[in-house]
Amino acid sequence: SQTIHQWPATLVQPVGSPLSLECTVEGTSNPNLYWYRQAAGRGLQLLFYSVGIGQISSEVPQNLSASRPQDRQFILSSKKLLLSDSGFYLCAWSVTERGTEAFFGQGTRLTVV
Amino acid sequence: SQKIEQNSEALNIQEGKTATLTCNYTNYSPAYLQWYRQDPGRGPVFLLLIRENEKEKRKERLKVTFDTTLKQSLFHITASQPADSATYLCARGGSSNTGKLIFGQGTTLQVKP
Repeated sequence: SQTIHQWPATLVQPVGSPLSLECTVEGTSNPNLYWYRQAAGRGLQLLFYSVGIGQISSEVPQNLSASRPQDRQFILSSKKLLLSDSGFYLCAWSVTERGTEAFFGQGTRLTVV
Repeated sequence: SQKIEQNSEALNIQEGKTATLTCNYTNYSPAYLQWYRQDPGRGPVFLLLIRENEKEKRKERLKVTFDTTLKQSLFHITASQPADSATYLCARGGSSNTGKLIFGQGTTLQVKP
């Protein structure tokens, strides 16, 4: 069966520090991968998605970047965090066919102080 | 742009009653709509998917409808239980074959014993 791992669960970082959140998927090949951010009491905002190794699409301009160095690994990064980067970050995967459900990781609660 | 709108006000109902949540979309009808459940501090979990050529889909105590005339989907939980208390998210697919999802802000359901 497929599983998705996302870590860390919580993170408190000072303004200006770097960020690296990692997500890995097991039990499937060539998944579509996604990074979402959820502000308190809000819906999910898609930040990045990837349909293959090294292929990254950004949905919104921001202080973040994403990379996919391996088929089932997706990394969210920042060189210098801003207060506005605080939020709940979720990694997700889906099969490549259109119209299938997404499977989410447990999320990372990031607080920038 | 494509949008998904859900009632941001919390829905409070008594145990045993039917909960009905609303999801409205703008612009053209999506090929499908999805519903997810999200518990506090956790990632969303997929519940149901309904395609635009399907009027209704059921799964145990859950029922979803898709009305392309009203541009609306309704999500019903019959015989609701306190364990059904959570935030429910509606999502539409994007126009491309990437599996991207556009989420509503979610509706929080509170079922009181």
